[in-house]
Amino acid sequence: QQQVKQSPQSLIVQKGGISIINCAYENTAFDYFPWYQQFPGKGPALLIAIRPDVSEKKEGRFTISFNKSAKQFSLHIMDSQPGDSATYFCAASIEGNTPLVFGKGTRLSVIA
Amino acid sequence: DGGITQSPKYLFRKEGQNVTLSCEQNLNHDAMYWYRQDPGQGLRLIYYSQIVNDFQKGDIAEGYSVSREKKESFPLTVTSAQKNPTAFYLCASSADREGATGELFFGEGSRLTVL
Repeated sequence: QQQVKQSPQSLIVQKGGISIINCAYENTAFDYFPWYQQFPGKGPALLIAIRPDVSEKKEGRFTISFNKSAKQFSLHIMDSQPGDSATYFCAASIEGNTPLVFGKGTRLSVIA
Repeated sequence: DGGITQSPKYLFRKEGQNVTLSCEQNLNHDAMYWYRQDPGQGLRLIYYSQIVNDFQKGDIAEGYSVSREKKESFPLTVTSAQKNPTAFYLCASSADREGATGELFFGEGSRLTVL
């Protein structure tokens, strides 16, 4: 059973455009939703995270939008740059209870 | 520098052989994790440990074993019972004892290829 469904599997965006990656979860007990960024040959690194008490969190060009009723959250990358080309993973967990459950990842390519 | 060190970075193994992947952290984190990454499959949890001398199975523990004798070390053994061991293995740690809300710090991974 896949607890966090991520889409699309791959994404190509023009430089300066907006990249949008979506995730949906099933377990309503989840209350922590991070996004990780992974460059080829490297381990993932935390990019941004949100808890369900807010509907949006912004850090620089990266924004998480959260819809609790729809059990969905998304990552928006504004003004996408070639350096943003990486694989992005959404994840979810129950605070203080379980390890992170990851989505299958989205491979983003930003082309000039 | 503080961080997580995984070794070896690349490893080749013949079928039927056990192999042990090393993971060491100097972040003084309580919790440590092993994930397996396959193309298009995301990160799947193999084992995790929240405290020394204790560990729990993740979603795909069959064919793997771990130990946690020291806080800074969490080696993973891929046994001959693992049917499809070729993969990229990632070790991580977190400061939060349950590991559910704290940031996960990942190593750079070990790529295992079974010949």
